[in-house]
Amino acid sequence: SYVLTQPPSVSVAPGQTARITCGGNNIGSKSVHWYQQKPGQAPVLVVYDDSDRPSGIPERFSGSNSGNTATLTISRVEAGDEADYYCQVWDSSSDYVVFGGGTKLTVL
Amino acid sequence: QVQLVESGGGLVKPGGSLRLSCAASGFTFSDYYMSWIRQAPGKGLEWVSYISSSGSTIYYADSVKGRFTISRDNAKNSLYLQMNSLRAEDTAVYYCARTVRGRITGTTPPHYYYYMDVWGKGTTVTVSS
Repeated sequence: SYVLTQPPSVSVAPGQTARITCGGNNIGSKSVHWYQQKPGQAPVLVVYDDSDRPSGIPERFSGSNSGNTATLTISRVEAGDEADYYCQVWDSSSDYVVFGGGTKLTVL
Repeated sequence: QVQLVESGGGLVKPGGSLRLSCAASGFTFSDYYMSWIRQAPGKGLEWVSYISSSGSTIYYADSVKGRFTISRDNAKNSLYLQMNSLRAEDTAVYYCARTVRGRITGTTPPHYYYYMDVWGKGTTVTVSS
């Protein structure tokens, strides 16, 4: 089955740029989606189809996808961005929705 | 506004059954695929199942195949998850989510992708003796 690998944690100072990676075999051929989950809350979609943002999501959130790595980039990080972030793809070879293990973003 | 509200969670003994419901409002329910995703305590997200807008296409995660059944009633704007033969490892918060299907451009035959754009707040299932 298809595996998505995320770093367990990323730390960044306020105002800096956070980059959260999601690795997978030839992930660049897939469409990658990203979710933000704050403690005690349901996940929220922040990027879909590699780089599109749902309405209401700040432009500070952006995504890219190429080769074996997809990346969620958060510019000008704020304290309120502290959360767990999950990447997700659809694996058509097994008809499976696959989530990465999640990355905890800490704002220093 | 668009809303999903889960219900039906609770404490159940191993081997028992539970039926979760998800009430949808604020959008045309019958136009959308729907999914169940769960999250064990302190763990990440795990997809459980999805169902197409008409109910004709259904997929399950291997961990629940043969034990869980997803269904929907478009007339009642409701999604369901019948959970049988429950195990301790099924303990989790269960979320229902509106699911969008898109087509990956340039693929022939067409390849699709799926993502969850609206989530409910979840309902907690605890399997314990």
